[in-house]
Amino acid sequence: GEDVEQSLFLSVREGDSSVINCTYTDSSSTYLYWYKQEPGAGLQLLTYIFSNMDMKQDQRLTVLLNKKDKHLSLRIADTQTGDSAIYFCAETPNSSASKIIFGSGTRLSIRP
Amino acid sequence: AAGVIQSPRHLIKEKRETATLKCYPIPRHDTVYWYQQGPGQDPQFLISFYEKMQSDKGSIPDRFSAQQFSDYHSELNMSSLELGDSALYFCASSSQGQGSRNEQFFGPGTRLTVL
Repeated sequence: GEDVEQSLFLSVREGDSSVINCTYTDSSSTYLYWYKQEPGAGLQLLTYIFSNMDMKQDQRLTVLLNKKDKHLSLRIADTQTGDSAIYFCAETPNSSASKIIFGSGTRLSIRP
Repeated sequence: AAGVIQSPRHLIKEKRETATLKCYPIPRHDTVYWYQQGPGQDPQFLISFYEKMQSDKGSIPDRFSAQQFSDYHSELNMSSLELGDSALYFCASSSQGQGSRNEQFFGPGTRLTVL
């Protein structure tokens, strides 16, 4: 079946690292994504990882994929106030034109 | 760079009315997707079109229909609106020519409020 789960809230201090976790059930997922949604705004693709990769780094963002445990994480280094948003983990079941299945989203709030 | 355009950005309708949402994909993108995001919810896939043909169908009510036109823009038609249809409706587009990573670019959304 298709299911993506995330914790709903995360609060971190400005300058610290944020780690947002996600689990998924569909082992056939080929691509996994992290989207960012700011209040009242659209969905911004932050990064994606192919299922045969373990890690992907892009500036302050690090994505770790444990395919055996079906666990995906997003680490944001040096978290800033502008990082406050809802972060959605998402997967696509196959590589062709296909729907994206989103997790419930994790609301990241930054403490001064 | 051009992005996905959705219109209108906001729409207020009454119960049992109809609504039409429009989506203009990024130039040269051939695939359009529609998602519905209820208050505090994650986006749910409704329907997609590739080269003007329906390619996938999700949890789209029978009261809704959609199509993709020859210029690749898409319209989502919603009839007999219900209070529960109040949501943010996203359109996304992608190009199959970009390879297999299914990178979907999302529009800003249309916020539909049904009174």
